[in-house]
Amino acid sequence: DAKTTQPNSMESNEEEPVHLPCNHSTISGTDYIHWYRQLPSQGPEYVIHGLTSNVNNRMASLAIAEDRKSSTLILHRATLRDAAVYYCIGVGNQFYFGTGTSLTVIP
Amino acid sequence: NAGVTQTPKFQVLKTGQSMTLQCAQDMNHEYMSWYRQDPGMGLRLIHYSVGAGITDQGEVPNGYNVSRSTTEDFPLRLLSAAPSQTSVYFCASSYWGLAGGIEQFFGPGTRLTVL
Repeated sequence: DAKTTQPNSMESNEEEPVHLPCNHSTISGTDYIHWYRQLPSQGPEYVIHGLTSNVNNRMASLAIAEDRKSSTLILHRATLRDAAVYYCIGVGNQFYFGTGTSLTVIP
Repeated sequence: NAGVTQTPKFQVLKTGQSMTLQCAQDMNHEYMSWYRQDPGMGLRLIHYSVGAGITDQGEVPNGYNVSRSTTEDFPLRLLSAAPSQTSVYFCASSYWGLAGGIEQFFGPGTRLTVL
């Protein structure tokens, strides 16, 4: 399972796009890239996942580099409810969380 | 569906006491796991199970036991509580088919304090 590296914190203005980066240089060819977020005092919540190609869902988009050593979670229009800790996880057999990126959304 | 439920929500123990944290899911998921989250930290995997009767250790298994007698339930036992086990405990479940490509569902957590 791949070790991931994320910035400790980021800020965004409300209604602007947010790009959350993640490095996973040790990822293997079969490890999926998952993103979860955790709102204060809640359990983690699934956001999106992918393997090789970019992925979109109603919450976000996931852009995966061609060499798969990095990925970016894109929130198209940040809202105050998106303020959370975002975890990027390289998943082979298990989910190993790092410390994530704490996103602050400024009104 | 209730999803993943955990009981109790809060618990205070004295050092040396034992207790069981309960976790149940009603989604017929094969895979279940327990994590702990210390203040300001990410989640760390304690134990996991890929089906009834099958369990294995994660990153931080010492001081904890698990068993999986049914698909629905995956209790976590603290054998002799220590202050270092003060944490928030999360249970999660998912289908177990395409390894790594499956969404995990998390419970609301149990906040445990050991005095």
